[in-house]
Amino acid sequence: DAGVIQSPRHEVTEMGQEVTLRCKPISGHNSLFWYRQTMMRGLELLIYFNNNVPIDDSGMPEDRFSAKMPNASFSTLKIQPSEPRDSAVYFCASSHAGGRQPQHFGDGTRLSIL
Amino acid sequence: SQQGEEDPQALSIQEGENATMNCSYKTSINNLQWYRQNSGRGLVHLILIRSNEREKHSGRLRVTLDTSKKSSSLLITASRAADTASYFCATDARGNKLVFGAGTILRVKS
Repeated sequence: DAGVIQSPRHEVTEMGQEVTLRCKPISGHNSLFWYRQTMMRGLELLIYFNNNVPIDDSGMPEDRFSAKMPNASFSTLKIQPSEPRDSAVYFCASSHAGGRQPQHFGDGTRLSIL
Repeated sequence: SQQGEEDPQALSIQEGENATMNCSYKTSINNLQWYRQNSGRGLVHLILIRSNEREKHSGRLRVTLDTSKKSSSLLITASRAADTASYFCATDARGNKLVFGAGTILRVKS
């Protein structure tokens, strides 16, 4: 069974550039989550979708961050313009039917903004 | 603020010993989950315990839940070097989403 697939695994870019992170959830899962993990703040939920619809984006830090889910098998998280403080590991996770079910995580994108 | 707080922050034991990690939370929950994260990888779900359950087992894992004390513990018996990882509890107190604690770093020495 393919798990949650994220790309790229690593991204290094300069401040001010646009960054796009991609996620393919597990087939049949209808909830998708984007998290950010840092040493200082731990694992933070940025946004989650149910049936491709954004349900809660209260964790998105600011307008520079946006997320889309155009279909059940693909989601993107975009940062524009990027800043050094956005450096973190970004995880995508998916689950059946809502945030209370066990979540399956991808291996993350390690983002470094110089 | 984080809903779940793990204790201790770090734990170092010898292979074969048992490891116990604790999680405390602040508000009512429907369920509590434990996850493991190996270095450089995503989190892996270990076990889910519902608020009306007191204990649950899965292989070498034993989870307890005390809703009166708002706490849970994860016991790993007969630990192995491969158990070296960070362990997180997650609660669903804030609506239809999980909130993760800061984690316990477990090191099992061979």
